[in-house]
Amino acid sequence: KAGVTQTPRYLIKTRGQQVTLSCSPISGHRSVSWYQQTPGQGLQFLFEYFSETQRNKGNFPGRFSGRQFSNSRSEMNVSTLELGDSALYLCASSPRGAIPDTQYFGPGTRLTVL
Amino acid sequence: AQKITQTQPGMFVQEKEAVTLDCTYDTSDQSYGLFWYKQPSSGEMIFLIYQGSYDEQNATEGRYSLNFQKARKSANLVISASQLGDSAMYFCAMREGGYTGNQFYFGTGTSLTVIP
Repeated sequence: KAGVTQTPRYLIKTRGQQVTLSCSPISGHRSVSWYQQTPGQGLQFLFEYFSETQRNKGNFPGRFSGRQFSNSRSEMNVSTLELGDSALYLCASSPRGAIPDTQYFGPGTRLTVL
Repeated sequence: AQKITQTQPGMFVQEKEAVTLDCTYDTSDQSYGLFWYKQPSSGEMIFLIYQGSYDEQNATEGRYSLNFQKARKSANLVISASQLGDSAMYFCAMREGGYTGNQFYFGTGTSLTVIP
């Protein structure tokens, strides 16, 4: 089976712009989670989608949004980018989003905001 | 309170030696799962090992084993016969039980360096 894929891998944007990141989960996985990873804050949970519904959300401002399509692919959008949004954005998928399912991660999208 | 605590920011181990990475967790759920991930400098998170709260035996996967002490709420990762390729960040994570989309909680990670 192909793993979790994320596009693009690298992105450079300027403050005030918006960005859309894409994640394709492992075939058959219906749960997709997004995380932000920075050196200062570590790995922080953004949100989880299951069957096109946001099921859980972390403590991030409304500039961060996401959606999931019927084929389980997910997109994450960040509007009005700030310098502090520079981070590695990781997507992870699991079959049902519940134990004992393991989350499998994609390679990440490294976003740099100038 | 932190759900996952990793108290070792950095660890060094000699090649071929064993090393233990500490992890304690906090939950009031009876059903939960514990995970360990490895993150090399490339950035990708690689799943290593899983332990369910009801599993009576410690999980093992090749050179990785999880020392699960439920009463102490600890889930330490043991890497036997360390290799240079084991140098990476290691994250402990927990997911609580149920089907309500309970999120994964991650620790702050431990940076492991294997010395030749």
